[in-house]
Amino acid sequence: KAGVTQTPRYLIKTRGQQVTLSCSPISGHRSVSWYQQTPGQGLQFLFEYFSETQRNKGNFPGRFSGRQFSNSRSEMNVSTLELGDSALYLCASSLQGADVETQYFGPGTRLLVL
Amino acid sequence: AQTVTQSQPEMSVQEAETVTLSCTYDTSESDYYLFWYKQPPSRQMILVIRQEAYKQQNATENRFSVNFQKAAKSFSLKISDSQLGDAAMYFCAYRSAYTGNQFYFGTGTSLTVIP
Repeated sequence: KAGVTQTPRYLIKTRGQQVTLSCSPISGHRSVSWYQQTPGQGLQFLFEYFSETQRNKGNFPGRFSGRQFSNSRSEMNVSTLELGDSALYLCASSLQGADVETQYFGPGTRLLVL
Repeated sequence: AQTVTQSQPEMSVQEAETVTLSCTYDTSESDYYLFWYKQPPSRQMILVIRQEAYKQQNATENRFSVNFQKAAKSFSLKISDSQLGDAAMYFCAYRSAYTGNQFYFGTGTSLTVIP
Protein backbone atom coordinates (compact mmCIF):
# COMPACT_ATOMS: atom_id res chain seq x y z
CA LYS A 1 0.00 0.00 0.00
CA ALA A 2 1.21 3.48 -0.74
CA GLY A 3 1.89 5.63 2.31
CA VAL A 4 0.53 9.02 3.17
CA THR A 5 1.50 11.54 0.52
CA GLN A 6 1.64 15.29 0.81
CA THR A 7 1.97 17.89 -1.90
CA PRO A 8 3.78 20.07 -2.46
CA ARG A 9 6.85 19.11 -0.43
CA TYR A 10 8.23 22.64 -0.36
CA LEU A 11 6.57 25.99 -0.72
CA ILE A 12 7.69 29.59 -0.50
CA LYS A 13 5.11 32.33 -0.02
CA THR A 14 5.10 35.96 1.04
CA ARG A 15 3.24 37.56 3.90
CA GLY A 16 -0.41 38.18 3.20
CA GLN A 17 -0.75 35.43 0.62
CA GLN A 18 -2.74 32.29 1.12
CA VAL A 19 -1.68 28.69 0.64
CA THR A 20 -3.33 25.31 0.18
CA LEU A 21 -1.64 22.07 1.16
CA SER A 22 -2.84 18.63 0.15
CA CYS A 23 -2.76 15.28 1.87
CA SER A 24 -3.69 11.89 0.43
CA PRO A 25 -4.18 9.27 3.13
CA ILE A 26 -3.40 5.60 2.91
CA SER A 27 -6.04 3.82 0.87
CA GLY A 28 -8.98 2.91 3.09
CA HIS A 29 -8.11 5.42 5.80
CA ARG A 30 -10.89 7.86 6.57
CA SER A 31 -9.37 9.92 9.36
CA VAL A 32 -6.89 12.65 8.46
CA SER A 33 -5.19 14.88 11.01
CA TRP A 34 -2.97 17.91 10.48
CA TYR A 35 -0.07 19.08 12.64
CA GLN A 36 2.20 22.10 12.55
CA GLN A 37 5.82 21.48 13.49
CA THR A 38 8.13 24.36 14.39
CA PRO A 39 11.44 24.42 16.28
CA GLY A 40 9.98 26.62 18.98
CA GLN A 41 6.55 25.06 19.54
CA GLY A 42 7.19 21.49 18.45
CA LEU A 43 4.27 19.54 17.03
CA GLN A 44 0.89 21.10 17.51
CA PHE A 45 -2.46 19.66 16.51
CA LEU A 46 -4.42 21.68 13.97
CA PHE A 47 -7.50 19.60 13.22
CA GLU A 48 -8.85 16.19 12.32
CA TYR A 49 -11.28 15.27 9.58
CA PHE A 50 -13.37 12.15 9.33
CA SER A 51 -15.93 11.41 6.64
CA GLU A 52 -15.70 14.96 5.30
CA THR A 53 -16.45 16.49 8.71
CA GLN A 54 -14.12 18.27 11.09
CA ARG A 55 -14.17 16.17 14.21
CA ASN A 56 -11.50 17.81 16.37
CA LYS A 57 -9.86 21.18 16.32
CA GLY A 58 -6.73 22.52 17.97
CA ASN A 59 -6.05 26.00 19.23
CA PHE A 60 -5.21 27.82 16.02
CA PRO A 61 -6.71 31.01 14.60
CA GLY A 62 -9.43 30.94 12.00
CA ARG A 63 -6.89 31.65 9.26
CA PHE A 64 -6.20 27.93 9.38
CA SER A 65 -8.92 25.86 7.82
CA GLY A 66 -9.31 22.54 6.14
CA ARG A 67 -11.63 20.22 4.38
CA GLN A 68 -11.91 16.61 3.39
CA PHE A 69 -13.27 15.18 0.19
CA SER A 70 -15.34 12.08 -0.37
CA ASN A 71 -12.23 10.10 -1.30
CA SER A 72 -10.73 11.07 2.10
CA ARG A 73 -8.11 13.35 0.60
CA SER A 74 -7.73 16.45 2.69
CA GLU A 75 -6.61 20.00 2.09
CA MET A 76 -5.43 22.57 4.55
CA ASN A 77 -5.63 26.27 3.80
CA VAL A 78 -3.87 29.14 5.51
CA SER A 79 -5.02 32.63 4.61
CA THR A 80 -3.23 35.92 5.18
CA LEU A 81 0.09 34.25 5.83
CA GLU A 82 2.32 35.52 8.63
CA LEU A 83 6.04 34.97 9.11
CA GLY A 84 5.25 32.74 12.07
CA ASP A 85 3.38 30.32 9.84
CA SER A 86 6.70 29.08 8.49
CA ALA A 87 6.75 25.46 9.55
CA LEU A 88 6.64 21.84 8.53
CA TYR A 89 3.03 20.78 8.12
CA LEU A 90 2.43 17.11 8.70
CA CYS A 91 -0.65 15.11 8.00
CA ALA A 92 -1.45 11.73 9.45
CA SER A 93 -4.05 9.17 8.55
CA SER A 94 -5.70 6.23 10.26
CA LEU A 95 -8.62 3.96 9.51
CA GLN A 96 -11.25 5.51 11.73
CA GLY A 97 -9.26 7.64 14.11
CA ALA A 98 -10.08 5.25 16.93
CA ASP A 99 -7.78 4.94 19.89
CA VAL A 100 -6.55 1.45 19.07
CA GLU A 101 -5.31 2.49 15.65
CA THR A 102 -1.89 3.60 14.55
CA GLN A 103 -1.54 6.98 12.91
CA TYR A 104 0.66 7.05 9.82
CA PHE A 105 2.40 10.29 9.02
CA GLY A 106 3.26 11.79 5.68
CA PRO A 107 6.63 13.36 4.83
CA GLY A 108 5.30 16.87 5.38
CA THR A 109 5.12 20.12 3.45
CA ARG A 110 7.74 22.67 4.39
CA LEU A 111 6.29 26.17 4.14
CA LEU A 112 8.51 29.23 4.21
CA VAL A 113 6.85 32.61 4.53
CA LEU A 114 8.97 35.60 3.53
CA ALA B 1 -4.91 20.60 27.93
CA GLN B 2 -2.52 17.79 28.54
CA THR B 3 1.19 18.55 28.47
CA VAL B 4 4.04 16.28 27.56
CA THR B 5 7.58 17.07 28.67
CA GLN B 6 10.80 15.69 27.30
CA SER B 7 13.58 17.15 29.42
CA GLN B 8 16.47 15.88 27.30
CA PRO B 9 16.81 17.91 24.09
CA GLU B 10 19.80 15.84 23.01
CA MET B 11 21.19 12.43 23.88
CA SER B 12 24.00 10.33 22.54
CA VAL B 13 24.82 6.65 22.78
CA GLN B 14 27.59 4.39 21.61
CA GLU B 15 26.64 1.84 19.03
CA ALA B 16 25.49 -1.43 20.68
CA GLU B 17 24.91 0.29 24.00
CA THR B 18 21.63 1.07 25.74
CA VAL B 19 20.03 4.48 26.10
CA THR B 20 16.93 5.69 27.90
CA LEU B 21 14.88 8.68 26.80
CA SER B 22 12.68 10.36 29.37
CA CYS B 23 9.11 11.59 29.09
CA THR B 24 6.67 12.88 31.65
CA TYR B 25 3.10 14.02 31.11
CA ASP B 26 0.43 15.84 32.98
CA THR B 27 -3.17 14.70 32.88
CA SER B 28 -6.15 14.26 35.13
CA GLU B 29 -7.59 11.53 32.95
CA SER B 30 -7.53 7.88 33.90
CA ASP B 31 -7.60 6.36 30.44
CA TYR B 32 -5.22 7.37 27.71
CA TYR B 33 -2.56 6.14 25.33
CA LEU B 34 1.12 6.95 25.14
CA PHE B 35 3.38 6.70 22.15
CA TRP B 36 6.95 7.10 21.09
CA TYR B 37 7.47 8.28 17.54
CA LYS B 38 10.74 8.46 15.65
CA GLN B 39 11.47 11.13 13.07
CA PRO B 40 14.63 10.43 11.07
CA PRO B 41 16.28 13.20 9.07
CA SER B 42 14.04 12.31 6.10
CA ARG B 43 11.18 13.69 8.25
CA GLN B 44 8.68 10.82 8.01
CA MET B 45 7.39 10.13 11.51
CA ILE B 46 7.29 6.45 12.39
CA LEU B 47 5.57 4.81 15.34
CA VAL B 48 8.10 3.08 17.60
CA ILE B 49 5.94 1.80 20.42
CA ARG B 50 2.63 2.44 22.16
CA GLN B 51 1.28 1.84 25.63
CA GLU B 52 -2.31 1.71 26.83
CA ALA B 53 -2.67 3.29 30.25
CA TYR B 54 -4.93 0.52 31.51
CA LYS B 55 -2.22 -2.06 30.91
CA GLN B 56 0.25 -2.51 33.73
CA GLN B 57 2.67 -4.50 31.62
CA ASN B 58 5.29 -2.43 29.87
CA ALA B 59 5.19 -2.57 26.09
CA THR B 60 8.13 -3.99 24.14
CA GLU B 61 8.94 -4.03 20.45
CA ASN B 62 12.16 -5.88 19.70
CA ARG B 63 14.99 -3.63 20.95
CA PHE B 64 12.57 -0.95 22.15
CA SER B 65 10.83 -1.09 25.49
CA VAL B 66 9.13 1.37 27.79
CA ASN B 67 9.03 1.95 31.51
CA PHE B 68 5.50 3.15 32.21
CA GLN B 69 4.94 4.51 35.68
CA LYS B 70 1.31 5.65 35.77
CA ALA B 71 1.34 7.12 39.26
CA ALA B 72 4.46 9.11 38.48
CA LYS B 73 3.14 10.01 35.00
CA SER B 74 6.38 8.87 33.48
CA PHE B 75 6.91 7.05 30.19
CA SER B 76 10.53 6.44 29.28
CA LEU B 77 11.85 4.66 26.20
CA LYS B 78 14.75 2.26 26.39
CA ILE B 79 16.66 1.39 23.25
CA SER B 80 18.89 -1.64 23.60
CA ASP B 81 21.78 -2.59 21.32
CA SER B 82 21.65 0.82 19.66
CA GLN B 83 22.20 0.91 15.92
CA LEU B 84 23.25 3.71 13.60
CA GLY B 85 19.76 3.68 12.11
CA ASP B 86 18.31 4.61 15.49
CA ALA B 87 19.68 8.14 15.11
CA ALA B 88 16.66 10.42 14.89
CA MET B 89 14.43 12.81 16.77
CA TYR B 90 12.21 10.93 19.20
CA PHE B 91 8.86 12.32 20.25
CA CYS B 92 6.73 11.21 23.14
CA ALA B 93 3.00 11.66 22.56
CA TYR B 94 -0.23 11.45 24.53
CA ARG B 95 -3.70 10.64 23.28
CA SER B 96 -6.78 10.86 25.43
CA ALA B 97 -9.30 8.04 25.38
CA TYR B 98 -12.09 10.60 25.73
CA THR B 99 -11.43 13.55 23.47
CA GLY B 100 -10.83 11.96 20.12
CA ASN B 101 -7.95 11.56 17.77
CA GLN B 102 -5.81 14.44 18.99
CA PHE B 103 -2.20 13.85 19.96
CA TYR B 104 -0.13 15.99 22.30
CA PHE B 105 3.57 15.81 21.57
CA GLY B 106 6.66 16.58 23.60
CA THR B 107 9.36 18.79 22.16
CA GLY B 108 11.51 15.84 21.19
CA THR B 109 14.89 14.34 21.99
CA SER B 110 17.56 14.24 19.32
CA LEU B 111 19.43 10.96 19.56
CA THR B 112 22.92 10.59 18.12
CA VAL B 113 24.46 7.14 17.75
CA ILE B 114 28.24 7.12 17.88
CA PRO B 115 29.96 4.41 15.84
